[in-house]
Amino acid sequence: DAMVIQNPRYQVTQFGKPVTLSCSQTLNHNVMYWYQQKSSQAPKLLFHYYDKDFNNEADTPDNFQSRRPNTSFCFLDIRSPGLGDAAMYLCATSRDSGQGGTDTQYFGPGTRLTVL
Amino acid sequence: QKEVEQDPGPLSVPEGAIVSLNCTYSNSAFQYFMWYRQYSRKGPELLMYTYSSGNKEDGRFTAQVDKSSKYISLFIRDSQPSDSATYLCAIQGGNKLTFGTGTQLKVEL
Repeated sequence: DAMVIQNPRYQVTQFGKPVTLSCSQTLNHNVMYWYQQKSSQAPKLLFHYYDKDFNNEADTPDNFQSRRPNTSFCFLDIRSPGLGDAAMYLCATSRDSGQGGTDTQYFGPGTRLTVL
Repeated sequence: QKEVEQDPGPLSVPEGAIVSLNCTYSNSAFQYFMWYRQYSRKGPELLMYTYSSGNKEDGRFTAQVDKSSKYISLFIRDSQPSDSATYLCAIQGGNKLTFGTGTQLKVEL
């Protein structure tokens, strides 16, 4: 089955210790997204890639970076995690709808990050 | 004012009840309206999506959009304990998806 895969599902890191979360997809979608979701809150878009073009949300802290080495993979790097970065991190993908927008987004299962 | 408003609940109903979940939004330019279901500690799963105003039915689920009042609804008929989850409305404009905070639903035996 075509899908969005996130690894690891659970990640524990120490305050200030860099961490990388990964996402891969078999849907061959050209758009990939990273969201942060804290408990009982809506998913918050951090950034997205439209093919290789990186689009950062204005309020995404510099502490969060991303890499997309190819169509299938995308990484979220948190350079110096703070206690406030503990959250579920969701990867999503979609197709280009060809009208300046995108098709429906499909989400991975998420990585739950704990910061000690 | 938030772009998308959703009552967080929790909403508790008996098995077999009809459930009504609702969202309001502020930007009339939005064209695509989605409902996602999210089980505890899992990623959101697309349940239904509609384009513009009208109704869309899929089994026990009906999505309804009223663009004139900027109001979207999800109805669940014959609710089951397995429907217990958080339901997130989401509205798409261009390539950006804006979520409501989600309504937590519990269907009790």
